[in-house]
Amino acid sequence: SQTIHQWPATLVQPVGSPLSLECTVEGTSNPNLYWYRQAAGRGLQLLFYSVGIGQISSEVPQNLSASRPQDRQFILSSKKLLLSDSGFYLCAWSGSGGTSETFWTQYFGPGTRLLVL
Amino acid sequence: GQQLNQSPQSMFIQEGEDVSMNCTSSSIFNTWLWYKQDPGEGPVLLIALYKAGELTSNGRLTAQFGITRKDSFLNISASIPSDVGIYFCAGQRQGAQKLVFGQGTRLTINP
Repeated sequence: SQTIHQWPATLVQPVGSPLSLECTVEGTSNPNLYWYRQAAGRGLQLLFYSVGIGQISSEVPQNLSASRPQDRQFILSSKKLLLSDSGFYLCAWSGSGGTSETFWTQYFGPGTRLLVL
Repeated sequence: GQQLNQSPQSMFIQEGEDVSMNCTSSSIFNTWLWYKQDPGEGPVLLIALYKAGELTSNGRLTAQFGITRKDSFLNISASIPSDVGIYFCAGQRQGAQKLVFGQGTRLTINP
């Protein structure tokens, strides 16, 4: 079965410091990968998605970047954190198979809570 | 911006009551998904719907893909304390390349 991991689970960082959040998926190959941010008590905002190694699409202009160095690894980064980067970051995956069912059904990781002070 | 209208935003019910929530859009959707999120955790997929008119159950949960393909509902029967959380609908709009999410329904249960 497929599993998705995120780390760290919680992170407290000072403003201006760099950021690296990691997401890995097991049990599947060539997944589509997604990064979302969730403000407290709010909905999900799609930040980036990737359909393959080195292929990144950005949804909103921001202080963050994403990379996919390996098939099942997705990294969210920042060179200098802002206070507004605080939030709950979720990674998700979906299948890249030929059916719409596997392509659009996303499965989420446990999330990383980031607090920028 | 958001293309799904999810309602109600919050619900306060007694244990044992049935729950109903829905999502609507002015656009046609090809896929509807329902997730539950517990505090501090990632959303968990409850039910996935892929065909207009489809009615699918998962234990005490039942969801339907609207015939018009512009709405979906989720029902929970005989609520229990562990049903507490935030429920999100999500859908893939026809012609779009990503999911859109509703703003969530926060369910609180009074024992």
